[in-house]
Amino acid sequence: KQEVTQIPAALSVPEGENLVLNCSFTDSAIYNLQWFRQDPGKGLTSLLLIQSSQREQTSGRLNASLDKSSGRSTLYIAASQPGDSATYLCAVRSGAGSYQLTFGKGTKLSVIP
Amino acid sequence: DTEVTQTPKHLVMGMTNKKSLKCEQHMGHRAMYWYKQKAKKPPELMFVYSYEKLSINESVPSRFSPECPNSSLLNLHLHALQPEDSALYLCASSHVGQGSSYGYTFGSGTRLTVV
Repeated sequence: KQEVTQIPAALSVPEGENLVLNCSFTDSAIYNLQWFRQDPGKGLTSLLLIQSSQREQTSGRLNASLDKSSGRSTLYIAASQPGDSATYLCAVRSGAGSYQLTFGKGTKLSVIP
Repeated sequence: DTEVTQTPKHLVMGMTNKKSLKCEQHMGHRAMYWYKQKAKKPPELMFVYSYEKLSINESVPSRFSPECPNSSLLNLHLHALQPEDSALYLCASSHVGQGSSYGYTFGSGTRLTVV
């Protein structure tokens, strides 16, 4: 059974800092890995999708990497802003039929002005 | 259109009420999902529809009844809910395909409170 772990559970940084969020998964037989952002009481916004054959994806100040063999992904946020404050969820798509999307418990990020 | 639209955004219902949650997408996705999310927890899968047929039911109580009337719409019918069913209900959609490399698109959710 796929298990996804996110470290740290919470992170507080001053505005302008670069930061890294970590995600690890136990079964390397994945189809893709997706990073989401969730604001309190809101839905999930997809940030980046990395296919199993890819090593990284970039969107603006965000960069996500994937090392499938070691079961790890990182989300790098450059020049953090207060508006980046949210919970970041890592989710892995795997399993027979490919309908299994396994989530980590998330990292709650606070960017202090 | 790259969105999943959920209505209503908020719902308060009594334990004897019957209500429905609605979800709509026009991205041509043929897989649609219902997730339940409790506070400070990740989303938990409830149901999966593939080509309008129920393909996964994660042992959800019968007081939750899903329906997929066409390829763009997904409903969740609620009846005789309990206070512990209060949660954020999320709808999602994706393309279908064995070993699909496509991502999921989520809606903004319905905040359900059972009183």
